[in-house]
Amino acid sequence: QLQLQESGPGLVKPSETLSLTCTVSGGFISSTSYYWGWIRQPPGKGLEWIGSIYYSGSTYYNPSLKSRVTISADTSKNHFSLKLSSLTAADTAVYYCATSPAAGIATGTFDPWGQGALVTVSS
Amino acid sequence: DIQMTQSPSSLSASVGDRVTVTCRASQSISNYLSWYQQKPGRAPKLLIYSASTLQSRVPSRFSASGSGTDFTLTITSLQPEDFASYYCQQSYTAPWTFGQGTKVEIK
Repeated sequence: QLQLQESGPGLVKPSETLSLTCTVSGGFISSTSYYWGWIRQPPGKGLEWIGSIYYSGSTYYNPSLKSRVTISADTSKNHFSLKLSSLTAADTAVYYCATSPAAGIATGTFDPWGQGALVTVSS
Repeated sequence: DIQMTQSPSSLSASVGDRVTVTCRASQSISNYLSWYQQKPGRAPKLLIYSASTLQSRVPSRFSASGSGTDFTLTITSLQPEDFASYYCQQSYTAPWTFGQGTKVEIK
C-alpha cells in the first residue's frame, strides 16, 4: 500500500524558505488516481491544508498561503516537494504530506499520511 | 472559505461510554465530510469519509451521520485506544478545511 515519508531541515531562519520532500513508496506519483498534498499543524493547534499537486503538474493552493507556496513533483525520484517562503515564527508546525483520490466521493479526503516533519522557524 | 466548527472542544469520558462529537459547516457541504483520529505525536488517521462511510479496518464502534451542515461522529463503547483528538474536514470546496478538533480524554 501507499506509504509517504517527509524529509527536510528541522530548523529554518525567519525570512528564509522552507523546503520539504515527500517520498512515495508503494505507488507512483505519476498515477492518474491521486492528488499529492501538504497539510500543516502548528504545535497544539489544528490542521491547515497547504496545497496539492496532480500528476499533470497542476497545483492547487490554499489562498491564505498561495503567495508563498510552491509544490512541485519529480516523477523520476517518485517524490513531491513543498517550498514555503518568507517564513515567520507562525510557520512553525509539523508538516505532513498525504494523498487523496483524484476522483469519486473521497476526493479531497486524505489517506494515508506521512509521519510528519517538525519545522521550527527561529534564528 | 467554509468554516468547520466542532463541539465540544474537549470531553472526558470513561471506557465503555458512548461519545458523540458534532461538526457544523458554515454552508451546505452535502456529504463531503470526513473524520480523522489523531493520537499525540502521530499523523491523523482517516476514520470516515463521505459523512458516514467507514474506512477499511476501522472498528465498527465508530459511526457517523449527517448531511448539509450538521454532522456527528459517534463512538459506542469507548475503548482505551480511542482516547485521542478527532477532526472533521470538508472536501466540498477548496480550500479544504478542518474543524478545530475535539480531544477525548479519560475521566
